[in-house]
Amino acid sequence: DAGVIQSPRHEVTEMGQEVTLRCKPISGHDYLFWYRQTMMRGLELLIYFNNNVPIDDSGMPEDRFSAKMPNASFSTLKIQPSEPRDSAVYFCASSLGGQPQHFGDGTRLSIL
Amino acid sequence: GENVEQHPSTLSVQEGDSAVIKCTYSDSASNYFPWYKQELGKGPQLIIDIRSNVGEKKDQRIAVTLNKTAKHFSLHITETQPEDSAVYFCAAMDQAGTALIFGKGTTLSVSS
Repeated sequence: DAGVIQSPRHEVTEMGQEVTLRCKPISGHDYLFWYRQTMMRGLELLIYFNNNVPIDDSGMPEDRFSAKMPNASFSTLKIQPSEPRDSAVYFCASSLGGQPQHFGDGTRLSIL
Repeated sequence: GENVEQHPSTLSVQEGDSAVIKCTYSDSASNYFPWYKQELGKGPQLIIDIRSNVGEKKDQRIAVTLNKTAKHFSLHITETQPEDSAVYFCAAMDQAGTALIFGKGTTLSVSS
């Protein structure tokens, strides 16, 4: 079975540019989570969706970050404009009924 | 909200020894506690989980124990092997029963 698929795996861009991260959850899963991982702060939940509806976005750092889930098989996390402090590994995870969560292999984002 | 503390941050053992990682949580309403293993360049992978109605769970060389009164849970790995080397994360599920709060991780090194 295919797991959670994220793209791109690596992204390097200059500050001020728009960045779009993509996620395909496991088929049939009804929850989708976006996390950010840094050395300083560890794994932080940014936002999660249930049945394509955003439920809790209290972890989104600021208005520069936005996430959408237009259908059950696709979600995006967008940063506009990007800043060097946004550099991190971003993970998407999905689950059926909230647990357990299955993670993708992440997008390593570097903002120069 | 929920807070999860994880110790130690690094752990070095000889092959064949046991390894123990401990976590404490703050929210007595939490009822689901998964453990994840993260290898370099990969996303966290669930290795074992425990629910609050159980005190201990084993799966081959790994086991998890839960003390609800003291609000702590531990991961035990016996007969460690070099391929057990990775970063291990504990987590607790929040009151809403959906979002995971992660510990800061333990880097386990198993030398042969």
